[in-house]
Amino acid sequence: AQSVTQLDSHVSVSEGTPVLLRCNYSSSYSPSLFWYVQHPNKGLQLLLKYTSAATLVKGINGFEAEFKKSETSFHLTKPSAHMSDAAEYFCVVSDTSGTYKYIFGTGTRLKVLA
Amino acid sequence: DGGITQSPKYLFRKEGQNVTLSCEQNLNHDAMYWYRQDPGQGLRLIYYSQIVNDFQKGDIAEGYSVSREKKESFPLTVTSAQKNPTAFYLCASSIVITGSHSYEQYFGPGTRLTVT
Repeated sequence: AQSVTQLDSHVSVSEGTPVLLRCNYSSSYSPSLFWYVQHPNKGLQLLLKYTSAATLVKGINGFEAEFKKSETSFHLTKPSAHMSDAAEYFCVVSDTSGTYKYIFGTGTRLKVLA
Repeated sequence: DGGITQSPKYLFRKEGQNVTLSCEQNLNHDAMYWYRQDPGQGLRLIYYSQIVNDFQKGDIAEGYSVSREKKESFPLTVTSAQKNPTAFYLCASSIVITGSHSYEQYFGPGTRLTVT
């Protein structure tokens, strides 16, 4: 069965410093992986997705993630944090067991300090 | 503009009353989903539907009901049997291609339900 683990529930960075949000996955098959962002009281917005093409995936707002099969990881990074990046981030894997469900991590809340 | 609409944004109900949350999409997606989000927690799947007139229970279906009479619409009813209905409810949709799991979900803006 697929699963997703977000290793940090909270991350704090200073504005202008790099962001690293960590995600490990478990999947029997070649997974599709996604990162979403959620601002307070809003829906989720797709940042980027991995679907077995390039292992380094670039997304919106300067975010990128690298799929590492050997480490079963899909960490999200950004070179320089902006105040507007403060939000909740979710790592998601698609269920390949025959349903069309998605398995969500528990989320990482990113705080950006001025 | 294509997208998902949820209405209303805020909903208040008295305990013991059923309430229906609306979700409409014009993306021509086959699959639709309902999630519940509680403070500090991730998303939990309530129900999902891969095709019109068919739906499946998710992880926390007790106290909820859905219908899928039209491709565009997937309303969620929170019944009086739901013990703790106060939460943020999110609707989503996605493309369904047999054998492919690489399509992302699109989310609505959410409905915050408060039951007192």
